[in-house]
Amino acid sequence: DIQMTQSPSSVSASVGDGVTITCRASQGISRWLAWYQQKPGKAPKLLIYAASSLQSGVPSRFSGSGSGTDFTLTISSLQPEDFATYYCQQANSLFTFGPGTKVDIK
Amino acid sequence: QITLRESGPTRVKPTQTLTLTCTFSGFSLIFSGVGVGWIRQPPGKALEWLALIYWDDDKRYSPSLKSRLTITKDTSKNQVVLTMTNMDPVDTATYYCAHETVRTGAFDVWGQGTMVTVSA
Repeated sequence: DIQMTQSPSSVSASVGDGVTITCRASQGISRWLAWYQQKPGKAPKLLIYAASSLQSGVPSRFSGSGSGTDFTLTISSLQPEDFATYYCQQANSLFTFGPGTKVDIK
Repeated sequence: QITLRESGPTRVKPTQTLTLTCTFSGFSLIFSGVGVGWIRQPPGKALEWLALIYWDDDKRYSPSLKSRLTITKDTSKNQVVLTMTNMDPVDTATYYCAHETVRTGAFDVWGQGTMVTVSA
């Protein structure tokens, strides 16, 4: 089974700050990596697929990078609506989600 | 426009079998490259992938839950059904179904989720 880890588990930031979240796979997954945003009481929303492809309708301040085992999600300038929990997910071998990173207001 | 909606009981007793239905529109599971998956989320915890069925009836299961899960599809009704046997209080969670494409491996459209509580 492929395990996913994320760091940090939580981060406090201010509007306008840049934030980077890291996701690591227990074995190489090429670029089979997606990122989701989830707000309380809501279903997750796809942000990035194939490690760096922006899902239609997602603001360009979100970007993804990486391949193999190490990936990052970057929010270039936090907006009020970006405070949420972010999950990575691998699809190289079955599917596995990471434990999540909560981005809250400093 | 793709939409999905989960339905099923809100409460089940320990040892019972849970049956959840995902009814979707805006796509068909007869077309190549499409799948529907189930993901759950216990209160305050992370997402956990459970199962997925593809247009060609290929089925994939979470290794840790495989013995308890069955996923099927009814293309005439645009539905995917998940059954989970021997329910336990730790299975209390919000259960989501979601559309997946083989090309990306990502779940691009999700249902709103249905909360299932397991208690006597």
